[in-house]
Amino acid sequence: GAGVSQSPRYKVAKRGQDVALRCDPISGHVSLFWYQQALGQGPEFLTYFQNEAQLDKSGLPSDRFFAERPEGSVSTLKIQRTQQEDSAVYLCASSSYRGPRGNQPQHFGDGTRLSIL
Amino acid sequence: QQPVQSPQAVILREGEDAVINCSSSKALYSVHWYRQKHGEAPVFLMILLKGGEQKGHEKISASFNEKKQQSSLYLTASQLSYSGTYFCGTSWKETSGSRLTFGEGTQLTVNP
Repeated sequence: GAGVSQSPRYKVAKRGQDVALRCDPISGHVSLFWYQQALGQGPEFLTYFQNEAQLDKSGLPSDRFFAERPEGSVSTLKIQRTQQEDSAVYLCASSSYRGPRGNQPQHFGDGTRLSIL
Repeated sequence: QQPVQSPQAVILREGEDAVINCSSSKALYSVHWYRQKHGEAPVFLMILLKGGEQKGHEKISASFNEKKQQSSLYLTASQLSYSGTYFCGTSWKETSGSRLTFGEGTQLTVNP
């Protein structure tokens, strides 16, 4: 498919376990974003990559959260020692880059619904 | 710094019109509008850049009032498929790919 693909769609983990969430962006998209969405809320920014460089990680809530995009394509969001408050939908979005002027649409995946027991 | 959306929820009958507002206390560079249905990805509708432009897409259009730091989304002759939660996402940097800060959403229900 041509859209942003995320896996798994659902993840249940026990408190204290580590989890890894995968995002496969639209082919050729330079920019990749991770957002966290709590029930009934808007998406909240976590981190941003341009190619393999992580340019903004100011939204990561703690040092238990780590994201990487080693080859500038697929990205993984890892959460260590999960806590109940980590339960949320994790959305990935990608966009093309057209230079410093203007903004490009962010195209979202369906997300991974993470439940911590 | 989160933009404020109003109203929080609106219920329409098919064919009626609606306006959703998005206000920021900080100077905006761009406003992105998305629609999200339950359990699905947010779907991009349109972007407005500072300069007060108005954009349209079929029966959905939007405006950007730079003076008021506000954007409005207009849905005319609503269809059942318009139901969902509408989010505005705002940015304050003049660089592509800058992070978006989203409002809490406006839940729109269109009934037959």
